[in-house]
Amino acid sequence: GEDVEQSLFLSVREGDSSVINCTYTDSSSTYLYWYKQEPGAGLQLLTYIFSNMDMKQDQRLTVLLNKKDKHLSLRIADTQTGDSAIYFCAESKRDDKIIFGKGTRLHILP
Amino acid sequence: SAVISQKPSRDICQRGTSLTIQCQVDSQVTMMFWYRQQPGQSLTLIATANQGSEATYESGFVIDKFPISRPNLTFSTLTVSNMSPEDSSIYLCSVDAGPTIETQYFGPGTRLLVL
Repeated sequence: GEDVEQSLFLSVREGDSSVINCTYTDSSSTYLYWYKQEPGAGLQLLTYIFSNMDMKQDQRLTVLLNKKDKHLSLRIADTQTGDSAIYFCAESKRDDKIIFGKGTRLHILP
Repeated sequence: SAVISQKPSRDICQRGTSLTIQCQVDSQVTMMFWYRQQPGQSLTLIATANQGSEATYESGFVIDKFPISRPNLTFSTLTVSNMSPEDSSIYLCSVDAGPTIETQYFGPGTRLLVL
């Protein structure tokens, strides 16, 4: 299977919370990341979590890491139209290379 | 922060031809990378562009197909040679501008369509 897997699409109503899930395979990953890609723009590092943490909160963003299950999630509270983008989950391998998932396209419903 | 520009932003090319993509950074950086994002696929690292020496290619990518130049600390080019429709993709330049995770930046990408 793929190193990093995530669902391809998510639709959420404006004002609701969005939860984007990701699973990875490398238990030795040091960092796990969430990147945001808006149309026509480059990837932007949204947030990251060190592998010895289980939660990180940054304003509307909450990252949860379940290392046992190799599961990472990104919660966006009070989702806005500006959150519409593709969100990539990624992990650092032992050689510091970053492995990306295929991205989850977040669609905001009015 | 580092601001990255890429040229061209998009192109449509005929099979068998080659295209050179330029990546310019507004500050000197040690590490520059080239990624490919094929439709519906994850970003895949093609190679690390090393200043003053040959690029380091990932498994599945070869210099003859993707020659890379890195003449200085702010500029790199990636050439997609002898293109086929399978090369249709977004090609992204990335830099590691500092010692922390937050200092990895990506360019806007070059969208390539090969007919």
